[in-house]
Amino acid sequence: AQTVTQSQPEMSVQEAETVTLSCTYDTSESNYYLFWYKQPPSRQMILVIRQEAYKQQNATENRFSVNFQKAAKSFSLKISDSQLGDTAMYFCAFMNPPKNDMRFGAGTRLTVKP
Amino acid sequence: EPEVTQTPSHQVTQMGQEVILRCVPISNHLYFYWYRQILGQKVEFLVSFYNNEISEKSEIFDDQFSVERPDGSNFTLKIRSTKLEDSAMYFCASTQDSLGQNSPLHFGNGTRLTVT
Repeated sequence: AQTVTQSQPEMSVQEAETVTLSCTYDTSESNYYLFWYKQPPSRQMILVIRQEAYKQQNATENRFSVNFQKAAKSFSLKISDSQLGDTAMYFCAFMNPPKNDMRFGAGTRLTVKP
Repeated sequence: EPEVTQTPSHQVTQMGQEVILRCVPISNHLYFYWYRQILGQKVEFLVSFYNNEISEKSEIFDDQFSVERPDGSNFTLKIRSTKLEDSAMYFCASTQDSLGQNSPLHFGNGTRLTVT
């Protein structure tokens, strides 16, 4: 069974600084997708970034980037120039086609301090 | 931008009662999902639905749960006889294509279910 582990229940960062959230996963499959979702206090689930396992290049979306280490089964999220609006729960998620489900980690609560 | 909409935003029910949570996925989406999040815990997959049938379900999705697409727009989750431990936020989601084919999961805002 695939599992997703986020070992940091809570983190904090000063505004404008950089923070890295860690995620590891366990799978025997070679074709899969990884995601980071943000859940602000409003409880919405918002896609931040996604990575296809077959791509060697790390995905980036503006201030958000990932460090995807396939051999180590690691998928960390780096947030640069942190903003107050980045304060949220961040969930790492894994999906392995053709199984049409998505498995989430336990989440990391990030607080950006002014 | 099109949204997944869920109603009601908050539902309170008594233990043993049936409850139906409603979702309207994005109109051109073909795959539908239910997730739940017990307060303070992780988001858990319940079920995926495609072509009018369940395509995947988790161990949580037992005989007390059922899903239906009764018409061309609604996607419902029914809990037959609610238990206290069913209290959670329930998220509906949809995708245009099968997950991973350049098709992100679009979540609704959730329905908070409280079982008393």
